[in-house]
Amino acid sequence: AQSVTQLGSHVSVSEGALVLLRCNYSSSVPPYLFWYVQYPNQGLQLLLKYTSAATLVKGINGFEAEFKKSETSFHLTKPSAHMSDAAEYFCAVSGAGSARQLTFGSGTQLTVLP
Amino acid sequence: EADIYQTPRYLVIGTGKKITLECSQTMGHDKMYWYQQDPGMELHLIHYSYGVNSTEKGDLSSESTVSRIRTEHFPLTLESARPSHTSQYLCASAPPNTEAFFGQGTRLTVV
Repeated sequence: AQSVTQLGSHVSVSEGALVLLRCNYSSSVPPYLFWYVQYPNQGLQLLLKYTSAATLVKGINGFEAEFKKSETSFHLTKPSAHMSDAAEYFCAVSGAGSARQLTFGSGTQLTVLP
Repeated sequence: EADIYQTPRYLVIGTGKKITLECSQTMGHDKMYWYQQDPGMELHLIHYSYGVNSTEKGDLSSESTVSRIRTEHFPLTLESARPSHTSQYLCASAPPNTEAFFGQGTRLTVV
């Protein structure tokens, strides 16, 4: 069994400020973890992924996330927010192996204030 | 660039009509998924497939059905659409041990 909890359904930051979107997971097997971004009326685009290699993962658009097994967390960060970062962000987990499902968190809507 | 396509992008249809949402991928992925997403809400897995002739129901109960006759094609069908089916439907496919690739979604409105 696996699940994802995203703390904060809405996060607002000022342009240029640090972005921190929180994600905690539970998984009965070693997890693969993902962050996706969704712009209005679009599908989901992969930002970054953790698949048991380096624990600090860098993604597109300046985002990065750190896998912390002891905290069962995979928080998404970006040092300086840009207006174009405003979107919905989803954390997802799946288990390693051939029969994997992808389970999503409830999403965090990021607003960037000028 | 992922090659997964959903048609139509938008659909408005009357109650009681039968509809099929198309999803095709050209990447040869065995795994395919259908998610249902209400506006501003989380994604709920409604169907998935691990290959040809394999289909399973997801976590969220759905009145829709799916088929997987060919690797590249994973259509979703509603035999009799109802207003409660109004939602966005997202299709995805995935190779082994890595991320899923998503289509643009179909926004369905049943009136």
